Amino acid sequence: KAGVTQTPRYLIKTRGQQVTLSCSPISGHRSVSWYQQTPGQGLQFLFEYFSETQRNKGNFPGRFSGRQFSNSRSEMNVSTLELGDSALYLCASSPLDQHETQYFGPGTRLLVL
Amino acid sequence: KNEVEQSPQNLTAQEGEFITINCSYSVGISALHWLQQHPGGGIVSLFMLSSGKKKHGRLIATINIQEKHSSLHITASHPRDSAVYICAVFGGTGNQFYFGTGTSLTVIP
Repeated sequence: KAGVTQTPRYLIKTRGQQVTLSCSPISGHRSVSWYQQTPGQGLQFLFEYFSETQRNKGNFPGRFSGRQFSNSRSEMNVSTLELGDSALYLCASSPLDQHETQYFGPGTRLLVL
Repeated sequence: KNEVEQSPQNLTAQEGEFITINCSYSVGISALHWLQQHPGGGIVSLFMLSSGKKKHGRLIATINIQEKHSSLHITASHPRDSAVYICAVFGGTGNQFYFGTGTSLTVIP
């Protein structure tokens, strides 16, 4: 089975712009979670989707949003980018529940200038 | 307030040494995970634990639910074990993942 894929791998944006990141989970996995990793805050949970519904959400502002499609692929969007949004954004999938073993993608490295 | 605390933050070992990384957490959990992150960012899940002990090759993970503590042991460490090891717990009031800040391990040949 192919692993979790994320596109793009690298992205440079300027403050105020918006960005959309994409994640394709392992075939058959229905739970997709998004995480932000920064040197200062470490790994933080953004949100989790299952069957096209957001099932859980971390403590991030409303500028961070996401969605999941019927084929379980997921996108996350960040609007009105701030310098502090520069981070590695990781997507992970699991068969059914978020607490199961997570299979991580390679991440998208976002730099906001 | 950090829901998950790891120690040590940094660890340097000689090849062949026995290594222990500790994780303490403060929330109720349904599962604890140990993750490995190599330079470049890729994260691999090593273990998922809800009780007891698990072993995979040279890696052993234990959890004590009553004491809210877990340890990751690496026996006969090797330079390829050099990575950041992250403890993550699933639970708490948000019923979500909470992560430790990671332990950076360097194994010297």
